[in-house]
Amino acid sequence: GENVEQHPSTLSVQEGDSAVIKCTYSDSASNYFPWYKQELGKRPQLIIDIRSNVGEKKDQRIAVTLNKTAKHFSLHITETQPEDSAVYFCAAWFSNDYKLSFGAGTTVTVRA
Amino acid sequence: GAVVSQHPSRVICKSGTSVKIECRSLDFQATTMFWYRQFPKQSLMLMATSNEGSKATYEQGVEKDKFLINHASLTLSTLTVTSAHPEDSSFYICSASIRGNYGYTFGSGTRLTVV
Repeated sequence: GENVEQHPSTLSVQEGDSAVIKCTYSDSASNYFPWYKQELGKRPQLIIDIRSNVGEKKDQRIAVTLNKTAKHFSLHITETQPEDSAVYFCAAWFSNDYKLSFGAGTTVTVRA
Repeated sequence: GAVVSQHPSRVICKSGTSVKIECRSLDFQATTMFWYRQFPKQSLMLMATSNEGSKATYEQGVEKDKFLINHASLTLSTLTVTSAHPEDSSFYICSASIRGNYGYTFGSGTRLTVV
């Protein structure tokens, strides 16, 4: 099965600075990589995703990069705001299983 | 977009009783439903995968007789926690996918507290 590692586990940034979260995956057959944001007591919300045929994707202040050779992908949040404070999960989709494997999560705190 | 409705959102039950959690896909037919458990400050832990009309596949360490999963139709899956104990207290969340499509749609989650 797929193993996804996520770092760091906690991240504290000053408002306006950038935040970067990195993930690695083990199965080279994984072909879809979503990122979820989860606020306390709520469901994970998809914020951005990338497929294996693309190296980078951007949506306003959020961007994701993928390096298939190295099997790692990263989330970049620029100009962070207090409302970006949440737990972020990366995931890798293994098409043979039609199943997502999640990273352990990163608790992001944006200091005002 | 795709919506998954999960009920109840919160439930408190006595130790030894059973609790049923429902997930419904409202505007699409979910080929597969996944059930996760999430302890405080931890990641989503997959409990089981169920395909409509067939038995659920449980992850290692998850007791199938304790966590009964039924996926009788393409729009409804249920998780029943039988003989619940305080250690079963957790956030349970379902997700649905459509075969051939990427990714999930998550339910809103159920906070179970066993007293």
